[in-house]
Amino acid sequence: AQSVSQHNHHVILSEAASLELGCNYSYGGTVNLFWYVQYPGQHLQLLLKYFSGDPLVKGIKGFEAEFIKSKFSFNLRKPSVQWSDTAEYFCAVKVVEGYQKVTFGTGTKLQVIP
Amino acid sequence: KAGVTQTPRYLIKTRGQQVTLSCSPISGHRSVSWYQQTPGQGLQFLFEYFSETQRNKGNFPGRFSGRQFSNSRSEMNVSTLELGDSALYLCASSLQGRTDTQYFGPGTRLTVL
Repeated sequence: AQSVSQHNHHVILSEAASLELGCNYSYGGTVNLFWYVQYPGQHLQLLLKYFSGDPLVKGIKGFEAEFIKSKFSFNLRKPSVQWSDTAEYFCAVKVVEGYQKVTFGTGTKLQVIP
Repeated sequence: KAGVTQTPRYLIKTRGQQVTLSCSPISGHRSVSWYQQTPGQGLQFLFEYFSETQRNKGNFPGRFSGRQFSNSRSEMNVSTLELGDSALYLCASSLQGRTDTQYFGPGTRLTVL
């Protein structure tokens, strides 16, 4: 079964700092990859997704992620964070073969200080 | 299009009781998945339904069950509630659940006293 690791549980940054959140998964086959965000008091929203093609994926609100197959990674990046980016971020993986469940990481809480 | 809706939004129960949560997917979506979200554990997959059939199941005890109706609406039931069942229960819908994107509802916050 696949697993997803998010190594940073809690990240604190000042506004305008650059962000990189790590995500690694353990499955050797074809996967779909997702980053979701959960703002305080709001429901999970899709930030970006990778199904195939260009491994550098751009999402909403200036976020991007790069799929590196050899490293089983799908790290989330943003060059300059804002206070409004304060939220919890979840990486998720879905195995493409068959009808597999989506596996989520445990989440990274990002706090941006003004 | 209306998003995924879940009812009720908040629920307080006592140990030993049972509870039923409801999820209405986005119109046209046939796959509904349920997750339990707790601090530090992230989202734990409960089960997925597609066309009224359970297609996937997570590692939860038999006290957790679900079903899906012909209009794709889904219900989740937890019997003999335990304190550890306190969590945010999320429902997500997608078109067919194979390679498409899931859209999440606001969740039902269950507190077991």
